Amino acid sequence: QVQLVQSGAEVRKPGASVKVSCKASGYTFTDYYIHWVRQAPGQGLEWMGWINPNSGGTNYAQKFQGRVTMTRDTSISTDYLELSRLRSDDTALYYCARQHSGVVYWGQGNLVTVSS
Amino acid sequence: QAVVTQEPSLTVSPGGTLTLTCGSSTGAVTSGHWPYWFQQKPGQAPKTLIYDTSSKHSWTPARFSGSLLGGKAALTLSGAQPEDEADYYCLLSYSGAWVFGGGTKLTVL
Repeated sequence: QVQLVQSGAEVRKPGASVKVSCKASGYTFTDYYIHWVRQAPGQGLEWMGWINPNSGGTNYAQKFQGRVTMTRDTSISTDYLELSRLRSDDTALYYCARQHSGVVYWGQGNLVTVSS
Repeated sequence: QAVVTQEPSLTVSPGGTLTLTCGSSTGAVTSGHWPYWFQQKPGQAPKTLIYDTSSKHSWTPARFSGSLLGGKAALTLSGAQPEDEADYYCLLSYSGAWVFGGGTKLTVL
């Protein structure tokens, strides 16, 4: 079955960067785009962008351009999200997600806390 | 980037019917936006209820239905149950870019 397993919680200081991972299994890694979605505490869902694991091509939401980098390592079926110049309002649960035939599969989320 | 709007909160009585809507700042929502509706309960990842405007999954309760209504995507709940109390998010696709609505907090009371 499709599984997206994300790395653990992270704590960073303002201005730092964070890189979280999303390991895919149960399907051909390069066949499906991975989206990254975040949810701040008590807030709604916010789309950050997607990566095409086959080509490495990306499409970032305008809000995050210049601060976000999505990459992948096909040898280990893992996608990465890196967010730089962190601010306190970047504190959120970061999900990777894969969509196919009307189903969105979600990772369990990475809690990133930005605090001085 | 487009802004997708939803009612911030709604209340329905058990057994009642209501419609949640999802509008786009760019104009009418169409089937080409491939509207999705998600249900999210506390501490859980979102769960797909409706996709491609009105398609359901095997796990989608029959009381939920999706449509286009007055230029918006709509999620109708007919015969609300206490377990339907949750946050509901719509998702629209703009040429592959996703935009979520701000979510509707549904109270069944």
